[in-house]
Amino acid sequence: QKEVEQNSGPLSVPEGAIASLNCTYSDRGSQSFFWYRQYSGKSPELIMSIYSNGDKEDGRFTAQLNKASQYVSLLIRDSQPSDSATYLCAVNRGRDDKIIFGKGTRLHILP
Amino acid sequence: DVKVTQSSRYLVKRTGEKVFLECVQDMDHENMFWYRQDPGLGLRLIYFSYDVKMKEKGDIPEGYSVSREKKERFSLILESASTNQTSMYLCASSSDSPLHFGNGTRLTVT
Repeated sequence: QKEVEQNSGPLSVPEGAIASLNCTYSDRGSQSFFWYRQYSGKSPELIMSIYSNGDKEDGRFTAQLNKASQYVSLLIRDSQPSDSATYLCAVNRGRDDKIIFGKGTRLHILP
Repeated sequence: DVKVTQSSRYLVKRTGEKVFLECVQDMDHENMFWYRQDPGLGLRLIYFSYDVKMKEKGDIPEGYSVSREKKERFSLILESASTNQTSMYLCASSSDSPLHFGNGTRLTVT
């Protein structure tokens, strides 16, 4: 099982709709979870951090964490063309506290 | 805002050359990291450091070494560059978490 798994996409979502991105992880000891956005040719930029079960909202973004099921998701409301990017899920690996990344999901917002 | 600066945006080196990739952060972060990013493989951790003069291997340290003589600076060294080290290299720093990335160095080894 991969340590951090994401669907590579592309995920196509109409402008104004909700984009839902999912991530699963294998290490039950993981405590910190992050979503990064990466535009083509650019470095990743942090969108959300989440550390406890439940939802965390920041503007149009909501991160959801379920440690029992070992998944974390990102919802983007009112999707905009500027949201088109690759979204990386990152998790701290419980056994050594290193931050490990999924391969990313490409999101395409259709105008 | 955290600023992580990588000295070169693009580098072209020849096989066998010794290559230095430099990274400087201005937020007094204890932790610094080097990742490489390749299509289909994602971001992979090469080395990291939790303090000055301290280094630990990541998941793919082979062919690389690092140096951290000062808290703000973390260098990645390719002792003898090979074509399979052609990649995007990303430096990051953190105080606790999360990571803050530099702009990246695209290295081509010919």
